[in-house]
Amino acid sequence: AQSVTQLGSHVSVSEGALVLLRCNYSSSVPPYLFWYVQYPNQGLQLLLKYTSAATLVKGINGFEAEFKKSETSFHLTKPSAHMSDAAEYFCAVTPYNQGGKLIFGQGTELSVKP
Amino acid sequence: EAQVTQNPRYLITVTGKKLTVTCSQNMNHEYMSWYRQDPGLGLRQIYYSMNVEVTDKGDVPEGYKVSRKEKRNFPLILESPSPNQTSLYFCASSRGIPNTGELFFGEGSRLTVL
Repeated sequence: AQSVTQLGSHVSVSEGALVLLRCNYSSSVPPYLFWYVQYPNQGLQLLLKYTSAATLVKGINGFEAEFKKSETSFHLTKPSAHMSDAAEYFCAVTPYNQGGKLIFGQGTELSVKP
Repeated sequence: EAQVTQNPRYLITVTGKKLTVTCSQNMNHEYMSWYRQDPGLGLRQIYYSMNVEVTDKGDVPEGYKVSRKEKRNFPLILESPSPNQTSLYFCASSRGIPNTGELFFGEGSRLTVL
């Protein structure tokens, strides 16, 4: 069954430092991949999505992610963390030929220290 | 304003007392879905609907029912709630199936079953 794994349930960075949140998927066929963000006491909102058009995907708030088929990865990065980036981040995948399903990873909570 | 509205936002109930969590969207979206969020498990899909009168099971459908009689509404029904259904529930909608567009989430419904 298709799955997605996020490495690290908690990540802490200093303000201005690089943010790297890791996501790996399991599939022999490249799926559709997404990153969502959840701010405290809110629902999720889309950060960015990969749908095979380009391997480097730019999203909102300065985030980007690179699809690497050879590593089955879709890691999320941001060059310089801001205090407002503190939130929980979810990687998600829609399996090939199962368009109605959206499978989420366990989530990574990002803390940003002043 | 485009939104997904869930009610109630908070509910404490007792085992076996039937309850319904309503979900309504005002964006004329075909696709709607229910998720539950539990610590360390991320979001897990309960049911989804590709359009009116079309519903399918997600990964954790046991103990839940849904219906899609109108495009805008997608209620989640717990016929006989049990304590293991204590969770944070999210409804979401999108214009097409998730891999073609963005999922819009409600603000969540926190359910406690005693």
